[in-house]
Amino acid sequence: AAGVIQSPRHLIKEKRETATLKCYPIPRHDTVYWYQQGPGQDPQFLISFYEKMQSDKGSIPDRFSAQQFSDYHSELNMSSLELGDSALYFCASSPIGQATEAFFGQGTRLTVV
Amino acid sequence: GENVEQHPSTLSVQEGDSAVIKCTYSDSASNYFPWYKQELGKRPQLIIDIRSNVGEKKDQRIAVTLNKTAKHFSLHITETQPEDSAVYFCAASASGSARQLTFGSGTQLTVLP
Repeated sequence: AAGVIQSPRHLIKEKRETATLKCYPIPRHDTVYWYQQGPGQDPQFLISFYEKMQSDKGSIPDRFSAQQFSDYHSELNMSSLELGDSALYFCASSPIGQATEAFFGQGTRLTVV
Repeated sequence: GENVEQHPSTLSVQEGDSAVIKCTYSDSASNYFPWYKQELGKRPQLIIDIRSNVGEKKDQRIAVTLNKTAKHFSLHITETQPEDSAVYFCAASASGSARQLTFGSGTQLTVLP
């Protein structure tokens, strides 16, 4: 069965650089969520999109932005990267009209050096 | 906003024994409570969830109980197996769905053979 696809799986950036993380939800899923998980930490909700519109906003820094495109894939754009941005970034998706379960992708491990 | 506390942070049990993980939440409007299992470096995977109109739910060796009055919910794993070893996260949402989940801090469960 198709799962949530995230790319890249690993990313190394220097401080003050920018990064773009991509998420391809499961087919027929219209809701996408982004979570940030620091080492040994619980996932922190960043932002979500439903039908290409931002639906909920969590602890997403102003340096980050995200959007969902017409094909439902989503991108998380991160600028002016800081060492503290190093984390696992998970994307999750939910089925159309049924956000009762969030299926997580494998995550993108971002390392800022 | 919602605050979810989870205990214990680490739990070791002998194979075959039961394991119980407890969570409390602060927002009385929360009405959806999923539990995720996360193996090291991998994605969180939903193992069971419960809604506020139900007091208990069971799926084979896994059960979840919810006490709305006390604002706490618990995960029970019976007949534990070594493959149950992982980090378990509880979460809560006031949306009735997986939207904007607030996670607990996680419990590292180790099942000793």
